[in-house]
Amino acid sequence: DTEVTQTPKHLVMGMTNKKSLKCEQHMGHRAMYWYKQKAKKPPELMFVYSYEKLSINESVPSRFSPECPNSSLLNLHLHALQPEDSALYLCASSQARGGNTDTQYFGPGTRLTVL
Amino acid sequence: KNEVEQSPQNLTAQEGEFITINCSYSVGISALHWLQQHPGGGIVSLFMLSSGKKKHGRLIATINIQEKHSSLHITASHPRDSAVYICAFYSGGSNYKLTFGKGTLLTVNP
Repeated sequence: DTEVTQTPKHLVMGMTNKKSLKCEQHMGHRAMYWYKQKAKKPPELMFVYSYEKLSINESVPSRFSPECPNSSLLNLHLHALQPEDSALYLCASSQARGGNTDTQYFGPGTRLTVL
Repeated sequence: KNEVEQSPQNLTAQEGEFITINCSYSVGISALHWLQQHPGGGIVSLFMLSSGKKKHGRLIATINIQEKHSSLHITASHPRDSAVYICAFYSGGSNYKLTFGKGTLLTVNP
């Protein structure tokens, strides 16, 4: 199984809502990532969890709150978002074996629209 | 100066044509990744290259570490190859943070 799954596929929320994005992998990978991607731009890294610990936070606003409940699951909790946060949110995972050669496996993404 | 440059930005081809997409970078790297993203979709990792050449079906990727240059070739292109192709690598000693090229939008017409 080389699949990373993400739910939901689409999400529309108001600026006062609280919602969560979910990501799951069963490849035994120990690094998991959240990316934000705007149209016609490459992905921007938001967070990295390595061995269930937050390893990288790319100065993301606190209205985005990541959570890694176990080695297979990654959540992104959303609260009080702004319309400019509308984007494709991608999850990825990798083995975390080091050596700058890990292949990242990406999920299909959640298309988020903030009204 | 950008660490990575991809060319061309946009490429339109007729079905059956041979396609080449280039990626040049300015820093030392251990490996380079080629990724594919269909419109509105997730990203698929095509290749991870440290040296030489790799082939998978109609796709061929080459890298010259000394010249800091990689190419992705598609033989006998097909409309289903229409996608954005992105080169990426880990830089700055990070095992996790990829530097992405801006991508090449390929459109293959039937």
